[in-house]
Amino acid sequence: AQSVTQLGSHVSVSEGALVLLRCNYSSSVPPYLFWYVQYPNQGLQLLLKYTSAATLVKGINGFEAEFKKSETSFHLTKPSAHMSDAAEYFCAVVRSQGNLIFGKGTKLSVKP
Amino acid sequence: DAGVIQSPRHEVTEMGQEVTLRCKPISGHNSLFWYRQTMMRGLELLIYFNNNVPIDDSGMPEDRFSAKMPNASFSTLKIQPSEPRDSAVYFCASSPSWGVSGGPYEQFFGPGTRLTVL
Repeated sequence: AQSVTQLGSHVSVSEGALVLLRCNYSSSVPPYLFWYVQYPNQGLQLLLKYTSAATLVKGINGFEAEFKKSETSFHLTKPSAHMSDAAEYFCAVVRSQGNLIFGKGTKLSVKP
Repeated sequence: DAGVIQSPRHEVTEMGQEVTLRCKPISGHNSLFWYRQTMMRGLELLIYFNNNVPIDDSGMPEDRFSAKMPNASFSTLKIQPSEPRDSAVYFCASSPSWGVSGGPYEQFFGPGTRLTVL
């Protein structure tokens, strides 16, 4: 069965610092993985997705994620945090039936 | 494109009342998902439809919850009777069908309905 684990429910960084949000997956088949972002009082929107075409995936707003099979990880990074990046981030894996299994989410705070 | 449309955006009701949440998916999307988000349990999948047919309703918490998709452009999630523990944000999402060439496709989320049951 597929699942994802997000390490750290809250992450705080200073503006301009590196953002690293961790996601580990469990899947018996090659996984399809997604990162979504949720801004306050809004729905989720897609940041990026991994579909086996390339291990380094670039998304919107300067975010990227690297698929590492040996570590079963799909961590999300951004070189320099901006105040507008403050939000909750969700990692998700596609189930064999086609729906998504979401992690618990990580709230990112950005300090000025 | 208007995106996924949900109504109402906010609903406040009293325990025991019937609540109906509505969703209009993106035109051309054949899969529709209902989620519930709470602080305690995070984002939970309640039910999803493919081509208007319920595929998996194992996430529906109990018989008080029911969902329908009478046509490709409309779905409802009903709670009857409602209870305070049903208070949450309910999201609807849609995507192209699984299995279509080029998938898997992202799910597009609506803005959510914030339900408060007093």
